[in-house]
Amino acid sequence: EVQLLESGGGLVQPGGSLRLSCAASGFTLSTYAMGWVRQAPGKGLEWVSGISGSGDTTYYTDSVKGRFTISRDNSKNTLYLQMNILRAEDTAVYYCAKRPLPTIFGPGGNYFHPWGQGTLVTVSS
Amino acid sequence: QSVLTQPPSVSGAPGQRVTISCTGSSSNIGAGYDVHWYQQLPGTAPKLLIRGNNNRPSGVPDRFSGSKSGTSASLAITGLQAEDEADYYCQSYDNRLSASGVFGGGTKLTVL
Repeated sequence: EVQLLESGGGLVQPGGSLRLSCAASGFTLSTYAMGWVRQAPGKGLEWVSGISGSGDTTYYTDSVKGRFTISRDNSKNTLYLQMNILRAEDTAVYYCAKRPLPTIFGPGGNYFHPWGQGTLVTVSS
Repeated sequence: QSVLTQPPSVSGAPGQRVTISCTGSSSNIGAGYDVHWYQQLPGTAPKLLIRGNNNRPSGVPDRFSGSKSGTSASLAITGLQAEDEADYYCQSYDNRLSASGVFGGGTKLTVL
């Protein structure tokens, strides 16, 4: 069974940093593209970042470019999201999710399945 | 403002049929790209409900179905049940954007 388990969320002051982790089981992480999707309190879903199966292609939404870095450790089957210079507007539940193909761009197989349970990031002083 | 537009809320009585619309444009749904749907029960993570316009993943009841026409797509739920009360999101690809995961704003389904 494919499972994703996020960790690393918490309360951080504006300007601070956090690293989120997503431990994958039931499949080989390097075979598929992965993404981080966030949901601000009471709001909808926003695709924040993605990485291809090979790790050579990444995506960031404009509001996090230069501040967030997505990476993977295939030996640990774990996905990461390093978040720096955090802002109040980054407050959200962050979900990691698996894509059905190795690619993150293009119209083919661009859905997310399954999703982890999410980890809450709160940016506040 | 979401690229894909959904009604903020819909409602229906148990046993009824409800539909949720997802309206896009010529750069996404209208260009022929697939539409996917997610269900988010209260306090839980989103779950894939429909992929590729009208395909249900294993375990999704056949009460849920999807369709697409022109620049819009719809999710239909028949035989409405109390446990269907949730938020529903559509998602597609947009060729004007660098991202291939644009979501609708979400629709809250209330079972009366």
